[in-house]
Amino acid sequence: AQSVTQPDIHITVSEGASLELRCNYSYGATPYLFWYVQSPGQGLQLLLKYFSGDTLVQGIKGFEAEFKRSQSSFNLRKPSVHWSDAAEYFCAVGADLDGGSQGNLIFGKGTKLSVKP
Amino acid sequence: DGGITQSPKYLFRKEGQNVTLSCEQNLNHDAMYWYRQDPGQGLRLIYYSQIVNDFQKGDIAEGYSVSREKKESFPLTVTSAQKNPTAFYLCASSIDPPYSNQPQHFGDGTRLSIL
Repeated sequence: AQSVTQPDIHITVSEGASLELRCNYSYGATPYLFWYVQSPGQGLQLLLKYFSGDTLVQGIKGFEAEFKRSQSSFNLRKPSVHWSDAAEYFCAVGADLDGGSQGNLIFGKGTKLSVKP
Repeated sequence: DGGITQSPKYLFRKEGQNVTLSCEQNLNHDAMYWYRQDPGQGLRLIYYSQIVNDFQKGDIAEGYSVSREKKESFPLTVTSAQKNPTAFYLCASSIDPPYSNQPQHFGDGTRLSIL
């Protein structure tokens, strides 16, 4: 069965510092991978997605993520964090349903990002 | 603007009561989903529907029910059988013919609490 692990529950970085949020997945084939961001009391917003091709994908708000098949990882990065980036971040992998259809997502438990001034 | 509307934003349930959470989308998406979010637990799938008049149980369907009579609407009922309903509930939709993965678009959620 597919699974997603986000090893860091909570990360604090200083404003202007670089950021890397870790995501490891378990999946038998080429995965469909997503990063979402959630502000308190809000829904999730898609930051970026990887389906195939270039392993470095660019997203909104200056975020990028790199797919590394050998490490089963899809880490999210940002070169310089802004105070408005404080939120919770979720990694997700596209799941196989019964009969081989895909469409559901399996989410990691999230990483909460705090930003120090 | 197209999007997903969840209502109400806050909901309170009395013991033994069923409550219904509304989810409406005007994105013309085929698939719709309900998730439950608890602190530190991430998102867990309750039910999903890929077409009208069809829906499937997710990982934690017990104590919940849904209907999909219209493409735009996917209401979730939290029944009295759900003994721990306090959580944040998120509805999502996607362009989702089978065998493809598309991003899911989320509503702003409903927070359900027990009185």
